[in-house]
Amino acid sequence: AQKITQTQPGMFVQEKEAVTLDCTYDTSDPSYGLFWYKQPSSGEMIFLIYQGSYDQQNATEGRYSLNFQKARKSANLVISASQLGDSAMYFCAMRDPGYSSASKIIFGSGTRLSIRP
Amino acid sequence: NAGVTQTPKFRVLKTGQSMTLLCAQDMNHEYMYWYRQDPGMGLRLIHYSVGEGTTAKGEVPDGYNVSRLKKQNFLLGLESAAPSQTSVYFCASTREGSPLNYGYTFGSGTRLTVV
Repeated sequence: AQKITQTQPGMFVQEKEAVTLDCTYDTSDPSYGLFWYKQPSSGEMIFLIYQGSYDQQNATEGRYSLNFQKARKSANLVISASQLGDSAMYFCAMRDPGYSSASKIIFGSGTRLSIRP
Repeated sequence: NAGVTQTPKFRVLKTGQSMTLLCAQDMNHEYMYWYRQDPGMGLRLIHYSVGEGTTAKGEVPDGYNVSRLKKQNFLLGLESAAPSQTSVYFCASTREGSPLNYGYTFGSGTRLTVV
């Protein structure tokens, strides 16, 4: 069965520092997609970054990058130069392909990131 | 604006009452999903639908029913609410056959409290 594990329930980071949020996953499917979502206190789910299982390079989106280590089944989110507005809950998620799976996305339990001024 | 609309946004129910949460999308998406979010547990899939007239159980379906009579609407019903169903409920949708990097479009959530 597919599984996403986030082992950091909460993290505190000083403003302007870089932060790494850990995510490991488990799947037997060779084709899959990995996502990170941000959920601020307002509650909406905001897409941050995507990594495909066949992508050769790590994904980057502005201050966000995904450290993809396929052999270790790891997909850590790196936020450079953290800002106060980065304080939020962060979810790692995985989507599997195929009609039979209905393209379901499974989510990790989340990491609450708090940025200190 | 195109997207996923959930109603209501907030609701307080008494134990044993029933209610229906409505999810509507205007993107012509085939696939729709209902998740619940609880502290420390992330989002867990309740039910999903791959098209009009079809529904299937997810990870935590007990106590819920769903219907997809129209392609754009996905209803989540609680027949007899219990305090354990206090949660934030998210609806999401996506295209059939979309590439893996095409994620979900989420609604803004419904905060339900059962007392």
